[in-house]
Amino acid sequence: GQQVMQIPQYQHVQEGEDFTTYCNSSTTLSNIQWYKQRPGGHPVFLIQLVKSGEVKKQKRLTFQFGEAKKNSSLHITATQTTDVGTYFCNSGGYQKVTFGTGTKLQVIP
Amino acid sequence: SAVISQKPSRDICQRGTSLTIQCQVDSQVTMMFWYRQQPGQSLTLIATANQGSEATYESGFVIDKFPISRPNLTFSTLTVSNMSPEDSSIYLCSVREGAPTGELFFGEGSRLTVL
Repeated sequence: GQQVMQIPQYQHVQEGEDFTTYCNSSTTLSNIQWYKQRPGGHPVFLIQLVKSGEVKKQKRLTFQFGEAKKNSSLHITATQTTDVGTYFCNSGGYQKVTFGTGTKLQVIP
Repeated sequence: SAVISQKPSRDICQRGTSLTIQCQVDSQVTMMFWYRQQPGQSLTLIATANQGSEATYESGFVIDKFPISRPNLTFSTLTVSNMSPEDSSIYLCSVREGAPTGELFFGEGSRLTVL
């Protein structure tokens, strides 16, 4: 079945440093979604990418969808302590949504 | 955006018992899902709750263990039956509004501990 892997699994950064997480699928995706889950919280939708090579920005966050629509990345510029949490991608799609393994981000003040 | 109320928020249960989790949405939604998130892990889809018909279960999950009801477009329940410590997890209700491939909204989750 479809697998969605994320790397790294964990990342510790100093506040102000940049952070990137990568999402890789074994199959071509119709779209990809990114979610953030704060410690003790539930996942919250960040963005959806649909087009090959698409790049979207939300303030310090930059999301990219690969040309082959099999991978994606989330880049955070100048991390802040509010960025702490686990970032998940998912395979989108109509029903059978597969969540990535997640990247847990710790920001050291 | 949909507002989802889930209860209980947490519970401690004895081995062999069953617990029903309720999910109430403030608007009618077509698609409603139940996920499990084990400690430190990602989200795993248990089933899609279908209004007026049997739920659609993912591989590894069966109706006898996780019976689901969905009597209308705003409400669903998930029962975890004959619990064992391996069922200790967070169970999340999720809905999709609008487009069939749109964003997922999640409830706050129900954290179950089975002793």
